[in-house]
Amino acid sequence: SQELEQSPQSLIVQEGKNLTINCTSSKTLYGLYWYKQKYGEGLIFLMMLQKGGEEKSHEKITAKLDEKKQQSSLHITASQPSHAGIYLCGAARDNYGQNFVFGPGTRLSVLP
Amino acid sequence: GAVVSQHPSRVICKSGTSVKIECRSLDFQATTMFWYRQFPKKSLMLMATSNEGSKATYEQGVEKDKFLINHASLTLSTLTVTSAHPEDSSFYICSASRANEQFFGPGTRLTVL
Repeated sequence: SQELEQSPQSLIVQEGKNLTINCTSSKTLYGLYWYKQKYGEGLIFLMMLQKGGEEKSHEKITAKLDEKKQQSSLHITASQPSHAGIYLCGAARDNYGQNFVFGPGTRLSVLP
Repeated sequence: GAVVSQHPSRVICKSGTSVKIECRSLDFQATTMFWYRQFPKKSLMLMATSNEGSKATYEQGVEKDKFLINHASLTLSTLTVTSAHPEDSSFYICSASRANEQFFGPGTRLTVL
């Protein structure tokens, strides 16, 4: 069964707009990862969050993990066409960092 | 950072043949590696957990005789797709864990004609 849910499934935004992608679990997450992927290609690691309330930023992308460690959001500021792709959240099922599962992904298109 | 490689990156084969995909952790030892498969427009699904020196643990619905996994050393796991059929065409990614973090390979695209 799918243990991670993502919303929205797909997103089309105009270049320069901000956007947010959410990742939700019914169980406590042991390490939440965000990846970007162009379908059929490898995963590009974006960020990893481990502590409740943690927030990390890299360039125009910010990711947050809520205090309960059951929900994470990925926020892109002033989106660019280069941000287009599939964003996947992933998390470990246990505290040893193994038994990894992925969310279904969010397909992002950025219109120039 | 930790690096995981996969070989080959792309492979095309005829139906009925077997294909081997290698996953290597280049700068660290991994007692456990994982194999994922991605269907078109779908997320990555865990196929099996590969343990060095022991049998792999397969997820429900994954045929162990179809997808043979061998973890012969601490830096190498192989996935062999036996008697491949067109429905086995997919994108396969491996990962290795180190210090509670996952590191993913670049993936292998398998096309079965």
